[in-house]
Amino acid sequence: GENVEQHPSTLSVQEGDSAVIKCTYSDSASNYFPWYKQELGKRPQLIIDIRSNVGEKKDQRIAVTLNKTAKHFSLHITETQPEDSAVYFCAASKSVSSGSARQLTFGSGTQLTVLP
Amino acid sequence: GAVVSQHPSRVICKSGTSVKIECRSLDFQATTMFWYRQFPKQSLMLMATSNEGSKATYEQGVEKDKFLINHASLTLSTLTVTSAHPEDSSFYICSATRTGTGTQYFGPGTRLLVL
Repeated sequence: GENVEQHPSTLSVQEGDSAVIKCTYSDSASNYFPWYKQELGKRPQLIIDIRSNVGEKKDQRIAVTLNKTAKHFSLHITETQPEDSAVYFCAASKSVSSGSARQLTFGSGTQLTVLP
Repeated sequence: GAVVSQHPSRVICKSGTSVKIECRSLDFQATTMFWYRQFPKQSLMLMATSNEGSKATYEQGVEKDKFLINHASLTLSTLTVTSAHPEDSSFYICSATRTGTGTQYFGPGTRLLVL
C-alpha cells in the first residue's frame, strides 16, 4: 500500500519568514495530494490540494509543488504569521473504481511554530 | 459548504462499557465516510471505510467486532466501541466524502477517555 513520509516533524520560523514542509510517497498511482492544517484538539482543515496533472498550485500565501518523477510534494507558506502555528499533514490518494471514495494516507505531521 | 458533525465531542466511560459515536454530514449526502483514530501528537490512522448500505471495510489490525460501524443512511455513520478499555482512549475523527467528489470533510472529533 501507499506510504507517505513527511519532514520535518517540527519546524520553528520567525514571523514573516517562509516555511517549507516536504512529503514523499511510494505509490506511483497516487494522483491527489491534499494538505491539512490541524490546530490542537480540532478537526483537520483542508488548506490546499494538488492533482497529478499540475506541477504547482498557489493560493495567496500558500503554495504546493509536485514532482511526480521523484514522487515528492511540498507545502510552502510565505510571510508566516503566528496564526499559522499548527500541525500540518500531507496526504496522498489515488483514483479508485467508480462509485468508491478515495482513501487518504497521511504523513506523520509537522508541528509548525511561528515565533512573533 | 460541507459540514460534518460528530457527537459526542467528548466522552468518559468505565472500562467494559460500550460507547457510540455519531458522524453526520449536515448539508450533503455522503456515500462513504471514513473513521480515523488519532493518538496525541500522532497522525490520523484510518480505521475503516464506511459505505452506506453495506458492510464497512476495516484496515489491517482493526478488530471489526470491537469497532462496530453502521452506515444506515447517506448522512449518518456510527462507530461503536464495544467493551472499551483504557487503551482505546483516543481522539476519533470521522470524515465524509461528498458523493461524486474526492474531497474529505472532517468532523470535529470525539475524545474518548476510558477509565
